[in-house]
Amino acid sequence: EVQVVESGGGLVQPGGSLRLSCTASGFLFSSYWMHWVRQAPGEGLEWVSRIEGDGSGTTYADSVKGRFTISRDNAKNTLYLQMNSLRAEDTAVYYCARDNSFYDFGSRSRKYKCFDPWGQGTLVTVSS
Amino acid sequence: QSALTQPASVSGSPGQSITISCTGTSGDIGAYNYVSWYQQHPGKAPKLLIFDVNNRPSGLSTRFSASKSGNTASLTISGLQPEDEADYYCSSYITSNSVEVFGGGTKLTVL
Repeated sequence: EVQVVESGGGLVQPGGSLRLSCTASGFLFSSYWMHWVRQAPGEGLEWVSRIEGDGSGTTYADSVKGRFTISRDNAKNTLYLQMNSLRAEDTAVYYCARDNSFYDFGSRSRKYKCFDPWGQGTLVTVSS
Repeated sequence: QSALTQPASVSGSPGQSITISCTGTSGDIGAYNYVSWYQQHPGKAPKLLIFDVNNRPSGLSTRFSASKSGNTASLTISGLQPEDEADYYCSSYITSNSVEVFGGGTKLTVL
């Protein structure tokens, strides 16, 4: 079964740090881009960050740029999100999601571009 | 990285059809066929419904369909069922700066 499972959430004080993990199984982890997406309580989904399969390319939302770092260990089938200088507005459920897409050289575009599957999420609460 | 625009809520009766719109710009939805749609029930993780504008994952009900015209994408649910009551999100990939963006979400109520 293809699945991803997040861990590492918890309560942290403003200005503190936390590292989230996402363990993948059932697929060749190194072949896929991976994402972090968060959802604040009662709010919608917000894309946070993406990393390419070999870890060479990363992208961040403006709201976390310079504070969060995405990384991966393909030998351990694990994705990470290092969160520093945490703020109250970072309080959210953090989801890990696989990017299903691949680059099609014929059409010079990506195919199957979507987030699937998603993990169950891990709650991060930033509060004093 | 502005969010895509969705109506906050829509409603319909069992058996009816509803459509949820998702409006972006010529730089995101209008530029590429990278629109996807997700369903989220309360307390659950999002679930993929549609990828690449109008493609359903294997096994998904044909009651879910989608399309795109210009800068606006649309999700249609036909034959509404009580279990369709959920939040729905659209998403698009912006290749110019390699970021992803979600819509604000639409709450579907089945009356």
